[in-house]
Amino acid sequence: DGGITQSPKYLFRKEGQNVTLSCEQNLNHDAMYWYRQDPGQGLRLIYYSQIVNDFQKGDIAEGYSVSREKKESFPLTVTSAQKNPTAFYLCASSILSGLVYNEQFFGPGTRLTVL
Amino acid sequence: AQKITQTQPGMFVQEKEAVTLDCTYDTSDPSYGLFWYKQPSSGEMIFLIYQGSYDQQNATEGRYSLNFQKARKSANLVISASQLGDSAMYFCAMRELNTGNQFYFGTGTSLTVIP
Repeated sequence: DGGITQSPKYLFRKEGQNVTLSCEQNLNHDAMYWYRQDPGQGLRLIYYSQIVNDFQKGDIAEGYSVSREKKESFPLTVTSAQKNPTAFYLCASSILSGLVYNEQFFGPGTRLTVL
Repeated sequence: AQKITQTQPGMFVQEKEAVTLDCTYDTSDPSYGLFWYKQPSSGEMIFLIYQGSYDQQNATEGRYSLNFQKARKSANLVISASQLGDSAMYFCAMRELNTGNQFYFGTGTSLTVIP
């Protein structure tokens, strides 16, 4: 079955540590995205990538880093520079096209808690 | 300026009744797509329905329909015959042709279906 997987589902980290969230898709989508969601809030874009080895900052990129070495994978690293990293993180992908009707597909999310 | 505005933080509806969730958008791009997603308490984002800016008819998908009023820049989601399983957060999103592959999300509406 095609889809997006994120691991782990729950992640705990000590303050000051970097942590990497995994995102893999087998939908053959070119575009991938990372969002942050705080309780009761909407989605805020962290980074997105339209092609391998290229990515763009979203609205809240500070304290985060990404890589796109393979089309299927778009890992997100939450660095110690991120002041308030406790949140729910969603990865998504979409077909890259000049059309607007292609929706985003989402992974199940990773809930990160900083202790 | 906000691209997507959802003014109802929370809504209640009686089981089997219809409910309308509001969404207004802001764009100068003539080509855009509007999406609605459902997010249950588990956190996954489920795509519900899509409306294109050039679509002449309102989109429908089962119990979901989209009341698209282009001149007013509104794209309200109508859920008919509400079920207990409809209780969730609902997000409106937009994708513009000119900004390619960025999606803009609203802050969401929390819907509670009362038995």
